[in-house]
Amino acid sequence: GESVGLHLPTLSVQEGDNSIINCAYSNSASDYFIWYKQESGKGPQFIIDIRSNMDKRQGQRVTVLLNKTVKHLSLQIAATQPGDSAVYFCAENSGGYQKVTFGIGTKLQVIP
Amino acid sequence: DTEVTQTPKHLVMGMTNKKSLKCEQHMGHRAMYWYKQKAKKPPELMFVYSYEKLSINESVPSRFSPECPNSSLLNLHLHALQPEDSALYLCASSQAEDTQYFGPGTRLTVL
Repeated sequence: GESVGLHLPTLSVQEGDNSIINCAYSNSASDYFIWYKQESGKGPQFIIDIRSNMDKRQGQRVTVLLNKTVKHLSLQIAATQPGDSAVYFCAENSGGYQKVTFGIGTKLQVIP
Repeated sequence: DTEVTQTPKHLVMGMTNKKSLKCEQHMGHRAMYWYKQKAKKPPELMFVYSYEKLSINESVPSRFSPECPNSSLLNLHLHALQPEDSALYLCASSQAEDTQYFGPGTRLTVL
């Protein structure tokens, strides 16, 4: 079936460096994508979203890029901090915005 | 207030017990969700309520019974669960079809 997946299950980054977390999706009909951050013992926290009529969106220290041609989504975190250590999930809407399907997740480890 | 609250934080129950998980939001969101998350896995959608009516049931076993008493509250009634049902149960809410905001979850252990 349709799925959302990630290339790297674990990413280790030096504090202060930029992080890039990638996600591939297969449902070409998806038109809304979200990145969530989940810290240990907590629920997913919304970071940033993007709709399919855009290819880039920026937030505070984060940027999401969407390449619909190759069905690829990425999350860039600038000047990565220890507090950024968490599991990051990309998610897509399917069957309407209420039905969100999560990718497998990438664990980001920030090395002090 | 952008908070979704869930109680209890932890729950241990036997396979013959009946228990309930509770979720509350005061953001005026009209859609509420239950997800199940196993360790090191992504959340999996279980149920969606829209305007207090069940709109999506992802073929969840009947031992899980959702209830939406009003637009701010969402319950998940549990009965005759199996050990494999042990997981983190997450509640979320959204304004119609907008971004979903998650609660901290209830860590459920079935003995």
